[in-house]
Amino acid sequence: GQNIDQPTEMTATEGAIVQINCTYQTSGFNGLFWYQQHAGEAPTFLSYNVLDGLEEKGRFSSFLSRSKGYSYLLLKELQMKDSASYLCAVRDGRNYGQNFVFGPGTRLSVLP
Amino acid sequence: EPEVTQTPSHQVTQMGQEVILRCVPISNHLYFYWYRQILGQKVEFLVSFYNNEISEKSEIFDDQFSVERPDGSNFTLKIRSTKLEDSAMYFCASSEARRTGGAETQYFGPGTRLLVL
Repeated sequence: GQNIDQPTEMTATEGAIVQINCTYQTSGFNGLFWYQQHAGEAPTFLSYNVLDGLEEKGRFSSFLSRSKGYSYLLLKELQMKDSASYLCAVRDGRNYGQNFVFGPGTRLSVLP
Repeated sequence: EPEVTQTPSHQVTQMGQEVILRCVPISNHLYFYWYRQILGQKVEFLVSFYNNEISEKSEIFDDQFSVERPDGSNFTLKIRSTKLEDSAMYFCASSEARRTGGAETQYFGPGTRLLVL
């Protein structure tokens, strides 16, 4: 089966750092993606990991451990506009197919 | 910046009717996808499409659904005999991904909100 777990909600303060965790069990693995989704809008791409380690992109970083089936998204210098849902998604690598499995999303609230 | 577009933005239909949701992917992209998101729930993969055929489909994508690329720019999702539970936001996405499983990401359209009454 395929399962992706994320915390349902998180709260943090403007200017702080927050880490959003994601654990997965999938039948195949060909990359893990993080998306941001504001209420009523489409997901937008934040980061991609296929090898173990940390990928940094401005205020956002993402980490992957394939052996542990674990990733996290790190958001630094939080801003009010970062209040959104953060979706962890795994690309299942079967048959070179492009099948993405999404987690339930973590709703982040940034408080002043 | 190129973007994925979708029409209509909202669609209201009666149960049992057929609907066609339209998408124009980014022009140099090779893979196309449909997802749905029922209000308050997670994004669910429906189908991926490459080289004029379905590449992958989920359990949700049964005989009620079909996809088509009728010309060089449009990518459509047809839902036959709609049911109340088909009410959701439907997102189209496209990517440059090659069949070698490259790192290219998906770019999502703004979505079509479908309401079945």
